[in-house]
Amino acid sequence: DAGVTQSPTHLIKTRGQQVTLRCSPKSGHDTVSWYQQALGQGPQFIFQYYEEEERQRGNFPDRFSGHQFPNYSSELNVNALLLGDSALYLCASSFDDGTYEQYFGPGTRLTVT
Amino acid sequence: QKEVEQNSGPLSVPEGAIASLNCTYSDRGSQSFFWYRQYSGKSPELIMFIYSNGDKEDGRFTAQLNKASQYVSLLIRDSQPSDSATYLCAVHSYGGATNKLIFGTGTLLAVQP
Repeated sequence: DAGVTQSPTHLIKTRGQQVTLRCSPKSGHDTVSWYQQALGQGPQFIFQYYEEEERQRGNFPDRFSGHQFPNYSSELNVNALLLGDSALYLCASSFDDGTYEQYFGPGTRLTVT
Repeated sequence: QKEVEQNSGPLSVPEGAIASLNCTYSDRGSQSFFWYRQYSGKSPELIMFIYSNGDKEDGRFTAQLNKASQYVSLLIRDSQPSDSATYLCAVHSYGGATNKLIFGTGTLLAVQP
């Protein structure tokens, strides 16, 4: 049973550039949530996708956008990168059954220089 | 007031002892509670979840929930050096448009051989 996968593992970008991160959910899961985790902090909720629509959004600017595809995989896009966007980006998948158990992928470490 | 609070630690316990990790939350509407373990440089791993008041045991782990006092705890019996990690408490609230996990900043556990 394949778990949550994310790509790439690491990424280095320059301020002002754009980045796309990818996530494939655990088999059988239909919901994808994205989190940002800065060093020494807990994950912060960015947004959640279900049935190809953004269902809930955290306190992040519009530079952060996403998409979910018919196969439930998802992308996170960040435009006009800032130094403060450097973090571990985590994708979590779950099944929309009311239990809200979320399982994380390995994450993408983004460094903005 | 932070929504989910944890003592950042480090909590140092000798091998074989019981480690007790605590978490308080502010939203009385919270219904689902999760404990994640995160090794340095890795993504969070779901180790326990609890929905009802009382205790829930799984191997060496016991989660305890007291909704009246708004706290949830995790006990690790017979602690091993491999248990050394950051433990994240996460809370999910039902109702309204809320559909996300809110994380604490985590407690660093160090098990001394």
